[in-house]
Amino acid sequence: AQSVTQPDIHITVSEGASLELRCNYSYGATPYLFWYVQSPGQGLQLLLKYFSGDTLVQGIKGFEAEFKRSQSSFNLRKPSVHWSDAAEYFCAVGAYGGSQGNLIFGKGTKLSVKP
Amino acid sequence: DAGVIQSPRHEVTEMGQEVTLRCKPISGHDYLFWYRQTMMRGLELLIYFNNNVPIDDSGMPEDRFSAKMPNASFSTLKIQPSEPRDSAVYFCASSPGQGQRNEQFFGPGTRLTVL
Repeated sequence: AQSVTQPDIHITVSEGASLELRCNYSYGATPYLFWYVQSPGQGLQLLLKYFSGDTLVQGIKGFEAEFKRSQSSFNLRKPSVHWSDAAEYFCAVGAYGGSQGNLIFGKGTKLSVKP
Repeated sequence: DAGVIQSPRHEVTEMGQEVTLRCKPISGHDYLFWYRQTMMRGLELLIYFNNNVPIDDSGMPEDRFSAKMPNASFSTLKIQPSEPRDSAVYFCASSPGQGQRNEQFFGPGTRLTVL
């Protein structure tokens, strides 16, 4: 069955430090992968997506993610975190529809940023 | 583009009352999704539509929940009667097409509190 796992429920980093949020997926074929961000009181916004080609994808707000097929991972990174990056981050994999719609979401990782 | 529009943004009601949440998808998008988000259960897909037709409603928790899409630019999610455990943030999202490649665009959500 298709699934997405985000092992870290909550992460705290200092402003200016680097960030890596983990995402592992279970999928039988080439996955289509997404990272969304949800700021407090807001809906989800797409940060970046991977379909094929270069395994390192760039997104908005200075984020990037690397697809590693051998590890079934799609980790999100940012070299220097800003206080405005405090939010919840969701990894998702594209699905074939049915009862799961067309995206399967992880449970999310909440990011706190220390000044 | 105005994005996905949801109303109201906040709703406070008493147990037993009927609640109607509204959504206007992005023009031209063929898919519409309703999600519920709670601390305990995370983001749950309730139902989704393709070209105004419900495709899968297996995520709808009970018969108290119903959703309609009378035309391509409007959808409602109704809870009757409402209960305190229905308190959550309800998101509507739309997508331009079927399948794994298509990102979903989320509205800002409706925060529902049932007293």
